[in-house]
Amino acid sequence: DGGITQSPKYLFRKEGQNVTLSCEQNLNHDAMYWYRQDPGQGLRLIYYSQIVNDFQKGDIAEGYSVSREKKESFPLTVTSAQKNPTAFYLCASSIIGQSTNTGELFFGEGSRLTVL
Amino acid sequence: QKEVEQDPGPLSVPEGAIVSLNCTYSNSAFQYFMWYRQYSRKGPELLMYTYSSGNKEDGRFTAQVDKSSKYISLFIRDSQPSDSATYLCAMSAGAGTALIFGKGTTLSVSS
Repeated sequence: DGGITQSPKYLFRKEGQNVTLSCEQNLNHDAMYWYRQDPGQGLRLIYYSQIVNDFQKGDIAEGYSVSREKKESFPLTVTSAQKNPTAFYLCASSIIGQSTNTGELFFGEGSRLTVL
Repeated sequence: QKEVEQDPGPLSVPEGAIVSLNCTYSNSAFQYFMWYRQYSRKGPELLMYTYSSGNKEDGRFTAQVDKSSKYISLFIRDSQPSDSATYLCAMSAGAGTALIFGKGTTLSVSS
C-alpha cells in the first residue's frame, strides 16, 4: 500500500544528544514536510522540501536539520541546540506542479520524542 | 490576526448530538478548504475537502464554506463515540501554495 512511514514511533533522548527521525514515502510525491505538534498549538512547520537536494526553513527551524538526498526520504535531525524538543513530530507529503493540486497533505503516523 | 482561527475546545457532547466545528480565516485568496481528523497519537487524515463556497455532504458529515464571511464549518450528525478526535481545519490558495492549519478542536463524544 502507498503511504508515509515514520520511525521510530516513540523515542527517548538524553539532553545534549542529537536524534534523527526517519520519514519514507512511496507515493511518488514531490514535496515533503516536517511539522511539530504541541498541545494547544496546532501544527507548526519545521522544514519542507519540494525537490531533491533542496529544502526551505519553515516557521520553527532553529535547532533542527534535514536532508533530501532521495525523493522518497526526508529525515529530520533534532539537534542538541533545540531547547524544547519534547513533542509529537509529523512528516507529510504532497503533489505539486499540477493545476488541479489542492495542496492536500498526506501524513505519517508520527514520532513522539521525549527528552529525559 | 492569525491567518486561520479555530476554537480549540475541548468540546464534549453526548452520543447522537449534532456537532458544529468552525474556523475563520483572513486570506481571501484561499480556495481549497479541508477538514482533517486526528485520533490520539496518530497522524491527521483528510476527512472532507471543499472547493470555493458551498456545501458538501458525506454520510453524517457536512462541510460548509462561506467565502463572503471567511467562515467554514464542519457538521457531524448523530455523533458517535468513534468521532472523538481532534479536528483540524486547513486551507490553501491552490497549486504551489502552503496549506495553513487551524490549531484543532478536540471533540469527545460520550456514550
